[in-house]
Amino acid sequence: GAGVSQSPSNKVTEKGKDVELRCDPISGHTALYWYRQRLGQGLEFLIYFQGNSAPDKSGLPSDRFSAERTGESVSTLTIQRTQQEDSAVYLCASSLGGAANYGYTFGSGTRLTVV
Amino acid sequence: AQTVTQSQPEMSVQEAETVTLSCTYDTSESDYYLFWYKQPPSRQMILVIRQEAYKQQNATENRFSVNFQKAAKSFSLKISDSQLGDAAMYFCAYRSGGGSNYKLTFGKGTLLTVNP
Repeated sequence: GAGVSQSPSNKVTEKGKDVELRCDPISGHTALYWYRQRLGQGLEFLIYFQGNSAPDKSGLPSDRFSAERTGESVSTLTIQRTQQEDSAVYLCASSLGGAANYGYTFGSGTRLTVV
Repeated sequence: AQTVTQSQPEMSVQEAETVTLSCTYDTSESDYYLFWYKQPPSRQMILVIRQEAYKQQNATENRFSVNFQKAAKSFSLKISDSQLGDAAMYFCAYRSGGGSNYKLTFGKGTLLTVNP
C-alpha cells in the first residue's frame, strides 16, 4: 500500500478483555516496529521485526503483551487481560531495513482506551 | 542508555514569525542520527528533518533548520515564517548508528501553537 495502515483507529475495551491491534506495513518494507505513546509522553519502543529474523521483544512491558508477524506482511499486537495503564496510542512503523539510514514511515496509530 | 530531553512542554509563535524548539540528548556514542518529527492531531508521525552526527553542516529543509552542537549534545529546531499548519506536537528523537540501531529514542515532545 501507499502508507502504513493501522486498524482499528480507535478501540474502547473493558478492563480484563483481550485486544488485537493490526498493522499493515508498506509493501517491500522488511522492518516493522511497534511503539506505545502514553498521554503526554514520547514514544516507547515495544518490538521490532526484521524479515524472518527473531524479533527484538525487549520493549514489551509485560507478558500480557505479544506480537506476531508472518514474513514481511501484516503484524498484530495482542494485549491480554487489559489494564487501565494500557490506555495509550499504539503506533506502528515500517522501513526498508533496520539500518539507521533507512527512515521510518509511521501509521496513524490505534488509540486504545481501557475502561 | 541514551536519553532525549525536551525542556519546553509548550511553545507559541505568531504566524510568519520564527520559533526555536530545544532538544538535548545524552549518549556515549560517536555515530548516531538525530531527528525531529511532527505529530499533528491525525497522530501520524511525520519526519521533519534529520541530522547525521558525522556531518558538521546543519541540516535544512525549506523553512526548517537545525542547530546541531555535537559537543554540547544539543539539537534545536528552528521554524521560520511559521504557518498555521505548523501547529502540532514536535518530538526530538535519537537513533544509534551502530549495534541496535533500529530503535528510536524520543523526547516527551513540545506542543507548538501558531497564533494568527
